[in-house]
Amino acid sequence: DGGITQSPKYLFRKEGQNVTLSCEQNLNHDAMYWYRQDPGQGLRLIYYSQIVNDFQKGDIAEGYSVSREKKESFPLTVTSAQKNPTAFYLCATRDRGTDTQYFGPGTRLTVL
Amino acid sequence: GQQVMQIPQYQHVQEGEDFTTYCNSSTTLSNIQWYKQRPGGHPVFLIQLVKSGEVKKQKRLTFQFGEAKKNSSLHITATQTTDVGTYFCAVTSGTYKYIFGTGTRLKVLA
Repeated sequence: DGGITQSPKYLFRKEGQNVTLSCEQNLNHDAMYWYRQDPGQGLRLIYYSQIVNDFQKGDIAEGYSVSREKKESFPLTVTSAQKNPTAFYLCATRDRGTDTQYFGPGTRLTVL
Repeated sequence: GQQVMQIPQYQHVQEGEDFTTYCNSSTTLSNIQWYKQRPGGHPVFLIQLVKSGEVKKQKRLTFQFGEAKKNSSLHITATQTTDVGTYFCAVTSGTYKYIFGTGTRLKVLA
């Protein structure tokens, strides 16, 4: 967990604005993930990336975009097309050896 | 798509009481993982079960994988206030995708 940083911790945006959430890892893991969590809900997969320069849509990709130009970084952009973006966003990596996920501290996005 | 049902959604217990959460799938699972998320925090990996009928223990926590590999349980003996949080099960879908249960939120009353 200490090897994944997400910034900022809290983010406020006005309706109609795009915003980019940062995720950086130093765990040397190939696969990275973005999840969305709503109050009292489980985790829903937005996008994941198995390797640099490659990524796939998850279950709720509409209104989001990602890039994976570096192994360490997997930024998520929440576009104005996302109708209900207020949520807790969690970035994660996958340890290939143990098949387990490590999560960052999360970014709480509020749309005003 | 594959779904994982987790029950109960909420559980309030008195400190010292036991607690159990269950995860159920309609399909046979290759493995199942359990995570804990403290209030305001992020999920932290607890354990992975792979074998049919497998039982693993971590202090007061007992994890079990069903014989048919379609269900799993997490049991906490004599809960403490430090056990407060939401417990999630997760299963892998293919090599890279994970599907999380909806979680069980545990509150422990001192």
